[in-house]
Amino acid sequence: ELKVEQNPLFLSMQEGKNYTIYCNYSTTSDRLYWYRQDPGKSLESLFVLLSNGAVKQEGRLMASLDTKARLSTLHITAAVHDLSATYFCAVGLQGGSEKLVFGKGTKLTVNP
Amino acid sequence: SAVISQKPSRDICQRGTSLTIQCQVDSQVTMMFWYRQQPGQSLTLIATANQGSEATYESGFVIDKFPISRPNLTFSTLTVSNMSPEDSSIYLCSVETRAAAFFGQGTRLTVV
Repeated sequence: ELKVEQNPLFLSMQEGKNYTIYCNYSTTSDRLYWYRQDPGKSLESLFVLLSNGAVKQEGRLMASLDTKARLSTLHITAAVHDLSATYFCAVGLQGGSEKLVFGKGTKLTVNP
Repeated sequence: SAVISQKPSRDICQRGTSLTIQCQVDSQVTMMFWYRQQPGQSLTLIATANQGSEATYESGFVIDKFPISRPNLTFSTLTVSNMSPEDSSIYLCSVETRAAAFFGQGTRLTVV
């Protein structure tokens, strides 16, 4: 059974600071997603990571994937208030099943 | 990419009643997924809906409580039956392409 552990669950940071959110998963996977969710809204796709060593960047967010360690990171650079949201990683089971298993989410608050 | 239209966006329902949620995709997809997000929680997969066959339910979810229809490759419905306050959640439909997994806007259900 695929388990996905995300940490921290809550993150309060000051504007301008850097931080990393971690996503560990328990079995082999062939894809990993990062999503953003604002309160009362649906999920916004941020990144899709498909292979070992994949790194993607968009603005102040950068995601990476290490399939050997079964670890993905979402790095926040010079945080701004607009990044305040809940961030989820989701991992797909390898081998044909298209089901995704989600982490518990990281609620990020960026303080001025 | 895929554009998903989900409705209703929200509803307040009396306990004991049923609500049917509709999900329309702008392209043909083999599988559609239904998730539940309880307040302050992550997403949990309810079932996978394939066209032309019965939906596959995850542990803890049963067809009598969450019947699903999938009449064609662009449409699905999820019914929440005999509702109780514990069913108050956001329900989301999703499809996955190689590019990403896309989500509908969600249905915020409150059972009173």
